[in-house]
Amino acid sequence: RKEVEQDPGPFNVPEGATVAFNCTYSNSASQSFFWYRQDCRKEPKLLMSVYSSGNEDGRFTAQLNRASQYISLLIRDSKLSDSATYLCVVKGLTDKLIFGTGTRLQVFP
Amino acid sequence: NAGVTQTPKFQVLKTGQSMTLQCAQDMNHEYMSWYRQDPGMGLRLIHYSVGAGITDQGEVPNGYNVSRSTTEDFPLRLLSAAPSQTSVYFCASSYSHRLNEQYFGPGTRLTVT
Repeated sequence: RKEVEQDPGPFNVPEGATVAFNCTYSNSASQSFFWYRQDCRKEPKLLMSVYSSGNEDGRFTAQLNRASQYISLLIRDSKLSDSATYLCVVKGLTDKLIFGTGTRLQVFP
Repeated sequence: NAGVTQTPKFQVLKTGQSMTLQCAQDMNHEYMSWYRQDPGMGLRLIHYSVGAGITDQGEVPNGYNVSRSTTEDFPLRLLSAAPSQTSVYFCASSYSHRLNEQYFGPGTRLTVT
């Protein structure tokens, strides 16, 4: 079983739609959680950290469910510019990040 | 600030050749790392460093060497290139080992024939 698992997609949604991605992690000792965004043929960039109580950043909402060991990302009012791959990232007790393979989102007009 | 820079952007090697991928950051970050990204595999950690003079292995270290003689630079050496090392390589840095945010370089696309 992979340490971090994501549905690869693609998720094809119209502009203005709400879309949600889930990510599961296998190590219950994982301490920190993040969503990164990666545009085609570009480097990953931090989208947001995920806090235990859930957090929002504009149209983006991240949730953590420690009991079920998953994190989620909700995007409201999707824009064309949201088209990208979203990487779920988990940090355990060591100085290392574990990356999921990513979920591809395509927003169409 | 230039952030994290990597050279070259593209490279083609023949099997058995060696080369060094360069990585530099100007943010005075202590933590630096190298990843490779392959289709369907996600980013995998090759080597990392928590400070000058300190390096450690990641998930896929075989065939690669690193050194960290300065805070700014973290080169990755391929000792004897193999087709299995065809990949996109990303260097990243972070203020601390807490890794609250990693800054990635633009990547090096390496093909080994």
